[in-house]
Amino acid sequence: AQKITQTQPGMFVQEKEAVTLDCTYDTSDPSYGLFWYKQPSSGEMIFLIYQGSYDQQNATEGRYSLNFQKARKSANLVISASQLGDSAMYFCAMRERGYSGAGSYQLTFGKGTKLSVIP
Amino acid sequence: GAVVSQHPSWVICKSGTSVKIECRSLDFQATTMFWYRQFPKQSLMLMATSNEGSKATYEQGVEKDKFLINHASLTLSTLTVTSAHPEDSSFYICSARDAIARSSYEQYFGPGTRLTVT
Repeated sequence: AQKITQTQPGMFVQEKEAVTLDCTYDTSDPSYGLFWYKQPSSGEMIFLIYQGSYDQQNATEGRYSLNFQKARKSANLVISASQLGDSAMYFCAMRERGYSGAGSYQLTFGKGTKLSVIP
Repeated sequence: GAVVSQHPSWVICKSGTSVKIECRSLDFQATTMFWYRQFPKQSLMLMATSNEGSKATYEQGVEKDKFLINHASLTLSTLTVTSAHPEDSSFYICSARDAIARSSYEQYFGPGTRLTVT
């Protein structure tokens, strides 16, 4: 079974509108972390937001918020007031605790969602 | 702060030759670095975990004799693709974790290296 599932290969959003990118995950580890990264066409991975499995509140970072529904194992990214510069690939990733020091920080990525912002 | 560089940013080599890619943490010490490979329009796949001063841990299906990883210092890890073949053409990205752990969760990614084997 896939550990990270992103069901939307591509999404379109009108400039200044909000958009939600879906992510579901699968783990039996009680301690895990969920990440969202943005990858523009240049290829660099830009960290957007993080949610820990024990965090009580949904994470927010500026225009980015993470809708964390633990029971449903979903961690959707919400981008408010979309901008043209938001057009990029977006990856959801998970870090599980693991049982070895270095392995605790490995990330497993979903297949990504390509977001296109329309002027 | 928290900058990771990769060199070269792109490289073209002939089939059968070897290519070395460097990953450097510029303003922090990284006990652990990760190497990922990304094929066009696909996700990042972890290849190996590199630990300073010890052997790298490779993911299942990754040939350790083909992808040689050396983490000689707290700021430098290298990936050498030996006897490169056209199917090794890909985007290689490294990430590094701050040894002092400025945050408990963040990794810092390099800008990637695009390898084309002709």
